[in-house]
Amino acid sequence: ETGVTQSPTHLIKTRGQQVTLRCSSQSGHNTVSWYQQALGQGPQFIFQYYREEENGRGNFPPRFSGLQFPNYSSELNVNALELDDSALYLCASSLGRGRAYEQYFGPGTRLTVT
Amino acid sequence: QKEVEQNSGPLSVPEGAIASLNCTYSDRGSQSFFWYRQYSGKSPELIMSIYSNGDKEDGRFTAQLNKASQYVSLLIRDSQPSDSATYLCAVNVRNGANSKLTFGKGITLSVRP
Repeated sequence: ETGVTQSPTHLIKTRGQQVTLRCSSQSGHNTVSWYQQALGQGPQFIFQYYREEENGRGNFPPRFSGLQFPNYSSELNVNALELDDSALYLCASSLGRGRAYEQYFGPGTRLTVT
Repeated sequence: QKEVEQNSGPLSVPEGAIASLNCTYSDRGSQSFFWYRQYSGKSPELIMSIYSNGDKEDGRFTAQLNKASQYVSLLIRDSQPSDSATYLCAVNVRNGANSKLTFGKGITLSVRP
């Protein structure tokens, strides 16, 4: 158990809908990163939040957006869902945003878009 | 060339053997390297981190890093059936103050009783 929690566990949405995924970071961690993991692939970096500010973004379109709150929990929002958005969404928290900080993953949210 | 590559699997070893998992990366400026274990249907679990050239041992696990060859490996000694999982190599690719991890596709290890 890493202390990182995510909700919901599973979600089924229809193409074109919007979804919000939530993450609570491990106690003491101020940085949250979001990743998308398609079946049979490694996780792909979506973006990172450090002290409520976006601190880097991967190759994902603007319909992927996020927030970090003062308690360092975070949300990932995806608008205009597409079938290819079906994946496991992972958040990872770390003590800081530097390269040396280890990232610990939550259990993930499995999103299915039909 | 992909940023992080793991040799194709799956890898099957008998119980008690040494499993050797390999990973190469393309960015010479990379400074942090991690191995995650992922059981089927679960999220990745951090098992090793390594930052300097050489070996780092933790129980049955040894991570090896060679920055000149851009190579990082994980050795699992006395492999157990419970080690059967997908192992993901992750590299912190240089990108300013961002600590983005770039992952390989993973290699699936099966330990035969």
